[in-house]
Amino acid sequence: QVQLVESGGGVVQPGGSLRLSCAASGFTFSSYVMHWVRQAPGKGLEWVAYIRLDGINKYYADSVQGRLTVSRDNSKNTLYLQMNSVRAEDTAVYYCARDREYHFEYWGQGTLVTVSS
Amino acid sequence: QTVVTQEPSFSVSPGGTVTLTCGLSSGSVSTSHRPSWYQQTPGQAPRTLIYSTNTRSSGVPDRFSGSILGNKAALTITGAQADDESDYYCVLYMGSAIWVFGGGTKLTVL
Repeated sequence: QVQLVESGGGVVQPGGSLRLSCAASGFTFSSYVMHWVRQAPGKGLEWVAYIRLDGINKYYADSVQGRLTVSRDNSKNTLYLQMNSVRAEDTAVYYCARDREYHFEYWGQGTLVTVSS
Repeated sequence: QTVVTQEPSFSVSPGGTVTLTCGLSSGSVSTSHRPSWYQQTPGQAPRTLIYSTNTRSSGVPDRFSGSILGNKAALTITGAQADDESDYYCVLYMGSAIWVFGGGTKLTVL
């Protein structure tokens, strides 16, 4: 069955960096576009980033443009989110999700990122 | 800045019917926005309910249905059950590989 497992979350200082991973299994990873979605504590969901099959075309929410970078390694069935110059407002649970017909078909369980000094 | 609007909260009686809506701060929602709906309980990942306006995701009971009502997308729950008490989120595809979530609706079944 489809499984998405995020990792890499933790506490990071403002201005610091962190890399999240999402390990995919149970499907042909290279055949699906992927997303990152986040949820700040007690808040709603926010779409963050999208990456196409070849990893070249990437799109971002305005709130993270220039600071967060999505990438993928199809040989390792893994999606990444490089977080640089993090801010307090980046504190959230980060979910990876598999796309199907413009929606988020499958979700991981999420990994918590806390930006704090 | 596009804002997707949802009712902050709603309540329904057990066995009752409720319709949650998903609109735009400017303009109308159409099928081209590919509206989708997600259910989330505290501490859990979202669960996909409806996509492409009215297609139920695998395993979702048919008491959940999606539609366009007027200028909004809508999620209707028929015969509400206690375990439907959750947060519900819609998301719209805005084109150019951009998606925008609504703020979510907290549904109470009482």
